[in-house]
Amino acid sequence: KQEVTQIPAALSVPEGENLVLNCSFTDSAIYNLQWFRQDPGKGLTSLLLIQSSQREQTSGRLNASLDKSSGRSTLYIAASQPGDSATYLCAVSFYGGSQGNLIFGKGTKLSVKP
Amino acid sequence: ETGVTQTPRHLVMGMTNKKSLKCEQHLGHNAMYWYKQSAKKPLELMFVYNFKEQTENNSVPSRFSPECPNSSHLFLHLHTLQPEDSALYLCASSQSMGGYEQYFGPGTRLTVT
Repeated sequence: KQEVTQIPAALSVPEGENLVLNCSFTDSAIYNLQWFRQDPGKGLTSLLLIQSSQREQTSGRLNASLDKSSGRSTLYIAASQPGDSATYLCAVSFYGGSQGNLIFGKGTKLSVKP
Repeated sequence: ETGVTQTPRHLVMGMTNKKSLKCEQHLGHNAMYWYKQSAKKPLELMFVYNFKEQTENNSVPSRFSPECPNSSHLFLHLHTLQPEDSALYLCASSQSMGGYEQYFGPGTRLTVT
């Protein structure tokens, strides 16, 4: 079964700290992996998309890495700010039965304290 | 309007009501999706349409009925829902199926009383 797992479920850090969110997936045959941000009661905002052939993507203070062989991705947030507080979702587009549809993890709820 | 829009943003309905959720995308995409997000659970894919044809029905109860009249519009018709159907319903679109980046709307918060 194709699954996506995110650890930790929740994380609280002081402002200014660098942090890493983890995502693992069960099948290395993927099209791509997306990281999203979700604010409470709102929709999803796409942060980074890493294609299967790529190792990492960067946008501002965010850097996402992909290691297909080990089934892992990390989202690195540099110099965290209170405005980064949100739930971060990892989603994987797998080959095979799911036809490329996204499989989501449960998310990591991040709280950045001023 | 840009991106993916959804209406209404909030909906409260009784179990005997019939209502519809609407999604519209202004991105020129050909695939559209309905997801359900319940508390403490991952987002669940409900339906997928590619070039107006339904390609995925993820074992969704028949009280949820999707409609895709064209590549820009997607509806979710609701009837005789249960309280456990209360959730955030999210619409998304992508250029096509098969691993393209998905863009999400703001969602409709549905409460069934």
